[in-house]
Amino acid sequence: QVQLQESGPGLVKSSETLSLTCTVSGGSLSNNHWTWVRQTPGKGLEWIGFIYYTGTTDYNPSLNGRVRMSIDMARSEFFLYVTSLAAADTAVYYCAQGAGRLVMWGQGILVTVSS
Amino acid sequence: EIVLTQSPGTLSLSPGERATLSCRASQSVDNNVAWYQHKPGQAPRLLISGASSRFTDVPERFSGSGSGTEFTLTITRLEPEDFAMYYCQQYGGAIPTFGQGTKVEIK
Repeated sequence: QVQLQESGPGLVKSSETLSLTCTVSGGSLSNNHWTWVRQTPGKGLEWIGFIYYTGTTDYNPSLNGRVRMSIDMARSEFFLYVTSLAAADTAVYYCAQGAGRLVMWGQGILVTVSS
Repeated sequence: EIVLTQSPGTLSLSPGERATLSCRASQSVDNNVAWYQHKPGQAPRLLISGASSRFTDVPERFSGSGSGTEFTLTITRLEPEDFAMYYCQQYGGAIPTFGQGTKVEIK
């Protein structure tokens, strides 16, 4: 069974770039979409976007072009980058398998943006 | 963006009782709705997709129904492990969105 695990810094400074990694085990990245979702107290769960194993991406326009995703098939990892961080980006970030329905999720990583 | 409104915000019930959770969409999403269970510190778990299809290993006491704009998740007899947050999600629109959640708590 596929398992996902997020990793990255728990504390980042405002205006900087957040880089998160999702490591997938127990399965292949091939023929799948891989999604990032975040959860904040104010906005609840927010779909950030997905990357297909071929590298095709789709992002939520609400993030105003600050998001980029990439994938490393050889390492079974995919990545999220969020630029120009602000306090409103403080959230628990989840990676998940799927594009519409999300069939498997990681446990999430809390990222705090400090000034 | 399609807004999902879940009700009630909190459901206080006893083990063995029936839970009925609602999710209303601001416009039609056909049957493109999923339900997730989320417990603190754990990964969210997919329960239902396509509005009514139980995912792998999900107990039969969980069922989903609805189409268009009105959806329901029913738990026929609550087990102790069912007390958790539940979220609906639509993936029929251009941007997937989630409801704000219903907390099912022990009465």
